[in-house]
Amino acid sequence: GAGVSQSPSNKVTEKGKDVELRCDPISGHTALYWYRQSLGQGLEFLIYFQGNSAPDKSGLPSDRFSAERTGGSVSTLTIQRTQQEDSAVYLCASSLGSGLDEKLFFGSGTQLSVL
Amino acid sequence: RKEVEQDPGPFNVPEGATVAFNCTYSNSASQSFFWYRQDCRKEPKLLMSVYSSGNEDGRFTAQLNRASQYISLLIRDSKLSDSATYLCVVNGKTGRRALTFGSGTRLQVQP
Repeated sequence: GAGVSQSPSNKVTEKGKDVELRCDPISGHTALYWYRQSLGQGLEFLIYFQGNSAPDKSGLPSDRFSAERTGGSVSTLTIQRTQQEDSAVYLCASSLGSGLDEKLFFGSGTQLSVL
Repeated sequence: RKEVEQDPGPFNVPEGATVAFNCTYSNSASQSFFWYRQDCRKEPKLLMSVYSSGNEDGRFTAQLNRASQYISLLIRDSKLSDSATYLCVVNGKTGRRALTFGSGTRLQVQP
């Protein structure tokens, strides 16, 4: 596809369950970001992948959160033992690289609701 | 101090008005600056980059003030369709390549 694709678009889960969120970036984009946004709030940085470099995980809020990017393309964000405070929209973005004029293209997000 | 700070607003302005938003950043070594626009319940989209020399795109003008560590966005002749949240974006944290978003300034243009 032409844009960043995220799935599922909506996910409802019970507290304590694990969830996996998927992001398919724009082909050829080497940089990939995960952010989350709670209702009425700004974007909170979670994790950043750039090519084959070690990911910047400094935004992950706890060790229940992890992410991987296989083959430099598709990324999966995993949340273990979900809590109600994990409820938010999880946004993925990709860009061509890490130059000064880096432009992010976002997917439409995954709305996660933890009951 | 937050890495990137914005006045949340809302800014309520009539059609045709000129409105300006500022955004301050904490990392004096930041090199990348952008304004993104986010419509309600939608993903953010790039509005414009902010260069040292300033940047103008139609009714929109963005400027950078390194000495005071802020960027600004000026919208002239506001349209109803300009109603949105405007996000300031900076590579804010020393040593982090990832871009940091401000919480956004909400603009409501009224007829």
